[in-house]
Amino acid sequence: SQQGEEDPQALSIQEGENATMNCSYKTSINNLQWYRQNSGRGLVHLILIRSNEREKHSGRLRVTLDTSKKSSSLLITASRAADTASYFCATDAGNNNDMRFGAGTRLTVKP
Amino acid sequence: DAGVIQSPRHEVTEMGQEVTLRCKPISGHDYLFWYRQTMMRGLELLIYFNNNVPIDDSGMPEDRFSAKMPNASFSTLKIQPSEPRDSAVYFCASTPGASGSDSTDTQYFGPGTRLTVL
Repeated sequence: SQQGEEDPQALSIQEGENATMNCSYKTSINNLQWYRQNSGRGLVHLILIRSNEREKHSGRLRVTLDTSKKSSSLLITASRAADTASYFCATDAGNNNDMRFGAGTRLTVKP
Repeated sequence: DAGVIQSPRHEVTEMGQEVTLRCKPISGHDYLFWYRQTMMRGLELLIYFNNNVPIDDSGMPEDRFSAKMPNASFSTLKIQPSEPRDSAVYFCASTPGASGSDSTDTQYFGPGTRLTVL
């Protein structure tokens, strides 16, 4: 069963703009991960944030985690057309190696 | 490392036929996961193994689905008999396991097998 839910389902922006995607989950977690999936390809891990962390950066990516609200956000700054993909959050169901994925946000970056 | 390898990449079959999907995890990874992805249901975990032993198969939709992992470098997902509603992309993923670093929780996905059951 799905644990995380992404919001919005779809997002369309212009190149250079920032993109923010949100994820909400239901139960306590040890960590939360964000993945990207290009059309017709497998998922690629982007970033992991642990439950005791509030913010994490990786290049143009910024992830926040609010365990009190059971939510996370992924910010992509200065977006590029190549960022066009679906983005998924995944949370562990109490087991670090059993991850449950949300439905994803479809991001389109227009050149 | 070549990453997680899945075969075939595409499979088209007729209803009632047996389908076998194959996966080779990254060498040294202790965990192997099978997922199914559809537009309607998103990405669903079907089953996962730890050191070749099935740990949780609660996501397997019904008895027509079975998965095996005879050794650390190979796993199969079998559907018998197949039905049109089984059409989906099936992903295999592996993860190193509990070694105490961030990367142990990262799942490495294969390219997927796109299954079409007519």
